[in-house]
Amino acid sequence: SQQGEEDPQALSIQEGENATMNCSYKTSINNLQWYRQNSGRGLVHLILIRSNEREKHSGRLRVTLDTSKKSSSLLITASRAADTASYFCATDARNQGGKLIFGQGTELSVKP
Amino acid sequence: GAGVSQSPRYKVAKRGQDVALRCDPISGHVSLFWYQQALGQGPEFLTYFQNEAQLDKSGLPSDRFFAERPEGSVSTLKIQRTQQEDSAVYLCASSQTGGAGRETQYFGPGTRLLVL
Repeated sequence: SQQGEEDPQALSIQEGENATMNCSYKTSINNLQWYRQNSGRGLVHLILIRSNEREKHSGRLRVTLDTSKKSSSLLITASRAADTASYFCATDARNQGGKLIFGQGTELSVKP
Repeated sequence: GAGVSQSPRYKVAKRGQDVALRCDPISGHVSLFWYQQALGQGPEFLTYFQNEAQLDKSGLPSDRFFAERPEGSVSTLKIQRTQQEDSAVYLCASSQTGGAGRETQYFGPGTRLLVL
C-alpha cells in the first residue's frame, strides 16, 4: 500500500493563479521528492527536499516540509496552461534502501 | 545527456503469454528501480538493484515476476503467464549512488502493458 496521501485529488484553476498541493506521509524519511507526470508520459523530477530542510525553491516552485506533522506542500506560483499535469509526492523512507513510496497524486488543470 | 530509456513503449499480450521489458539506465548510475503504475494511481515499487545485486524484491506481486541486471547496467523485467491484472505502466528509474537514497531518481517513459 502507498504511504503518501495527497490533497486535493483534483484542482482546477485559471492561468496566473497559484496552485497548492499537500502531501502527508507516515514514517521517518530521508527526503521527499515531487514529480510531475503529463498524460501518458513518464515522471519528471521537480524538486527534492531533505529531512533537515524546511523550505526549498526552484523557479516558480516552492516546497515546504514539516517533519513534525509528516507533511509537505508544493506551491506553483503564476500557473500556466503548460503546468496542467498530475503531481506526485514520493518519500524516501529511512532504512528502505532508497525506494520511493508515492502518493496517489493531484490532478492539476490550469485553464487559459 | 541521454536519459533513462525503456522498450518497448507499448506491449499488447494475450493472457498467458510471457513478456520482457527492458530498461537502459543513465550511464554510470548504480541504482535501478522498477515501479508499476495502475491507471489513475501513483507508481508502486517493485524491485531495486544496486549494480548487479538485487537488494529488494519485496514489491514483486507474484513469482510470475522476475527481474535481472546481470552486468549492472541494462535491466529486464520479465512477467510470465501474464494476467489481465498485470496491465499497467511499468516504470524504470535510475539514480547515481546506491544506499539510502539521498539522490534523485530519474524515470524513463515507461512501458504500457495491456493484457487481453
